[in-house]
Amino acid sequence: AQSVAQPEDQVNVAEGNPLTVKCTYSVSGNPYLFWYVQYPNRGLQFLLKYITGDNLVKGSYGFEAEFNKSQTSFHLKKPSALVSDSALYFCAVTLGGGYQKVTFGTGTKLQVIP
Amino acid sequence: EAGVAQSPRYKIIEKRQSVAFWCNPISGHATLYWYQQILGQGPKLLIQFQNNGVVDDSQLPKDRFSAERLKGVDSTLKIQPAKLEDSAVYLCASTRPGTGGGEAFFGQGTRLTVV
Repeated sequence: AQSVAQPEDQVNVAEGNPLTVKCTYSVSGNPYLFWYVQYPNRGLQFLLKYITGDNLVKGSYGFEAEFNKSQTSFHLKKPSALVSDSALYFCAVTLGGGYQKVTFGTGTKLQVIP
Repeated sequence: EAGVAQSPRYKIIEKRQSVAFWCNPISGHATLYWYQQILGQGPKLLIQFQNNGVVDDSQLPKDRFSAERLKGVDSTLKIQPAKLEDSAVYLCASTRPGTGGGEAFFGQGTRLTVV
């Protein structure tokens, strides 16, 4: 069975500082990995994905994520946090190919402090 | 392109009543998902359609939940009878062909409160 772990319920960071939101995964096979963001009373919005290739993927709003196969991690990063980045962030995993089930983590609330 | 449309946005019902949610995916998206998101948790897949066929409904409580996607476009999710623990946001999502089921576009969700 595949699973995703987001070990931090909440991450606090000062505006302008770098941020990291952690994600580890477990899947039998090659993973497709995703990050989504959810603002209050809104649906989830796609940020970025890793399927294959370069381990560092860049996405929307200046976010990037690094795939580390040996550590089975896919941490979300941003060099300089904005107050508007405050939201709920979800990591997700699926097996590549076909129409596979997508498993989401429990989410990490990011609070950027002015 | 227009996004995934869901209605209603909010619904309050008493336990043991029935309720239905509607979803219209993005045009051309063959895969449609219904997720349940309980407060403080990540979305949990209830059912996945490929066109009008069911791909995965392993986590759908079939004794009370049902879903259909007639003609491979719109979809409805029904709960009958509702329980208190069904209080959650129900999210509909759709994906383009060939994206491996992940890069999904989500609707704003329907917030269900069962009292």
